[in-house]
Amino acid sequence: AQSVAQPEDQVNVAEGNPLTVKCTYSVSGNPYLFWYVQYPNRGLQFLLKYITGDNLVKGSYGFEAEFNKSQTSFHLKKPSALVSDSALYFCAVRDIGGRGSTLGRLYFGRGTQLTVWP
Amino acid sequence: NAGVTQTPKFQVLKTGQSMTLQCAQDMNHNSMYWYRQDPGMGLRLIYYSASEGTTDKGEVPNGYNVSRLNKREFSLRLESAAPSQTSVYFCASSEGQGGSYEQYFGPGTRLTVT
Repeated sequence: AQSVAQPEDQVNVAEGNPLTVKCTYSVSGNPYLFWYVQYPNRGLQFLLKYITGDNLVKGSYGFEAEFNKSQTSFHLKKPSALVSDSALYFCAVRDIGGRGSTLGRLYFGRGTQLTVWP
Repeated sequence: NAGVTQTPKFQVLKTGQSMTLQCAQDMNHNSMYWYRQDPGMGLRLIYYSASEGTTDKGEVPNGYNVSRLNKREFSLRLESAAPSQTSVYFCASSEGQGGSYEQYFGPGTRLTVT
């Protein structure tokens, strides 16, 4: 079965510093990976995805993510954090199908609360 | 282009009452999903509809039913609400098989069952 893990419940970083939010995945076959952001009292917003190709994926709001197959990781990064980046971040992996599966379903991690202080 | 809309935004129910959460999307997506979000649990899939006319259970379907009314609309019904169903409910949609798989979410319904 597919799954993702976000090992940190919270990440704190000073404004202007680089940030990293970690995600590791477990999937049989080629992974389809996603990052979402949730601001308080809002729905999740799609940030970026990795399907195939370049290991460094660029997304919305200056975020990027690095796919590392050998480490089964898909960490979210930003070179210079903003206070407005403070939010809850979710990593997700797509169900790849197969017996008893739900093709197209996303499996979400538990989320990482990012706080950027001024 | 409103994306995914959900009604109501907030609801308080007494134990045993029933209600229907409404969801609509205007992106011509094939697949639609209902999730619940509880603190520290991430998002858990309740039901999904891979395409118009089909629905299937997710990982936490007990106590819920769904209807895919047409391609645009996907409703979630609580027949007899329980305090354990206090949660924030999100509807999402995606192009589905053969298309792009990222999901787009509605703003959520915050439900409290007393």
